[in-house]
Amino acid sequence: EIVLTQSPGTLSLSPGERATLSCRASQIVSSNSLAWFQQKPGQAPRLLIYDASSRATGIPDRFSGSGSGTDFSLTISRLEPADFAVYYCQQYVTSPMCTFGQGTKLEIK
Amino acid sequence: QVQLQQSGPGLVIPSQTLSLTCALSGDSVSSNSAAWNWIRQSPSRGLEWLGRTYHRSRWYNDYAVSVKSRMTINPDTSKNQFSLQLKSVTPEDTAVYYCARGVFTFDCWGQGILVTVSS
Repeated sequence: EIVLTQSPGTLSLSPGERATLSCRASQIVSSNSLAWFQQKPGQAPRLLIYDASSRATGIPDRFSGSGSGTDFSLTISRLEPADFAVYYCQQYVTSPMCTFGQGTKLEIK
Repeated sequence: QVQLQQSGPGLVIPSQTLSLTCALSGDSVSSNSAAWNWIRQSPSRGLEWLGRTYHRSRWYNDYAVSVKSRMTINPDTSKNQFSLQLKSVTPEDTAVYYCARGVFTFDCWGQGILVTVSS
């Protein structure tokens, strides 16, 4: 099983700042088979990025994904109040047996 | 616009069967390009993919190793929905259960149902 480790566990930033979240895999994630989700309290996860760097439908270009191999990142260029949430990465190279990271909480400083 | 609407009980007795349904609108459970998944989330286990059903000339099911012996997913084409049955539940099965669409990743999710396993 591929284990995904996200860091930091909590990130405290202010609106307007830039956020960079990390996701490290225990094995190479080939074909960049990695996605990012945003989850707000009481809501289902929302797909932001797939194939490591492709934005899902309706996702603003403030969100960008990058990386390859075992190291991936999600960048939010200019934080807005609605962006403060928990973010998860997911690998699907072993689909259907995919796995998720434990999450990074992005909180207002 | 695709919508997934979940239904089912929020409380299940230990050793009994957990049953949930996910009704679709805006897409078809028989689609030859989609897959229909169950995923759960708990503080102890995080987000955990449980299984899926999909149609490619015939019906297929895949299950996570952790639940394979206890889980069944069934499509219902007459109602355009799919269901989850998880047998012999224990308190460790307490979680928010989600249905979701996707073959590799998941672009559309149900609203989630908190299922508590307790006597």
